[in-house]
Amino acid sequence: DAGVIQSPRHEVTEMGQEVTLRCKPISGHNSLFWYRQTMMRGLELLIYFNNNVPIDDSGMPEDRFSAKMPNASFSTLKIQPSEPRDSAVYFCASSEQGPGELFFGEGSRLTVL
Amino acid sequence: GENVEQHPSTLSVQEGDSAVIKCTYSDSASNYFPWYKQELGKRPQLIIDIRSNVGEKKDQRIAVTLNKTAKHFSLHITETQPEDSAVYFCAARGFGNEKLTFGTGTRLTIIP
Repeated sequence: DAGVIQSPRHEVTEMGQEVTLRCKPISGHNSLFWYRQTMMRGLELLIYFNNNVPIDDSGMPEDRFSAKMPNASFSTLKIQPSEPRDSAVYFCASSEQGPGELFFGEGSRLTVL
Repeated sequence: GENVEQHPSTLSVQEGDSAVIKCTYSDSASNYFPWYKQELGKRPQLIIDIRSNVGEKKDQRIAVTLNKTAKHFSLHITETQPEDSAVYFCAARGFGNEKLTFGTGTRLTIIP
């Protein structure tokens, strides 16, 4: 398996624009997570899905953020409208159900000007 | 919810010496405690994990200890090498919960 695949790897956009980050989890993994990493706040869990169903979105900062998982092999994280404070590295990760290793993607580095 | 605190935030160690990173957690129901290593510009990767029914686990130069009563766990790296330089994150996961809460990270620098 190629691991967790994220796109784009880098995104530079202007304030107010819509940003869509994409993730393909490892085949067979039931759980998918979106994390945001910044120097100030470290690794923050935004939302996670079990079997394509959102379970906990308490980490989503505000209504500008939304996430979907239409099927077992694809998820998106959307920010609309984007703001400079959204600049961060966004990681997608997946795991088999139950306590076990979390496999991270390479991350999407977002810069909002 | 779970809260994980990690210390120190930075650590410099002479090559060959040992490094210790400590974490505390708040949820007594947490039962899974992994450690991740993140090299500069890379993704976090699991290096070792421990479950609540075990007090210590070793893998070559790396060991993790868990004290459930005190709700703290530690990462020990012996005979440190330059390639150990990275940011290390501890994490905790609650019982029946997929959610993994991370500590704030420790930047470890190995001085040649």
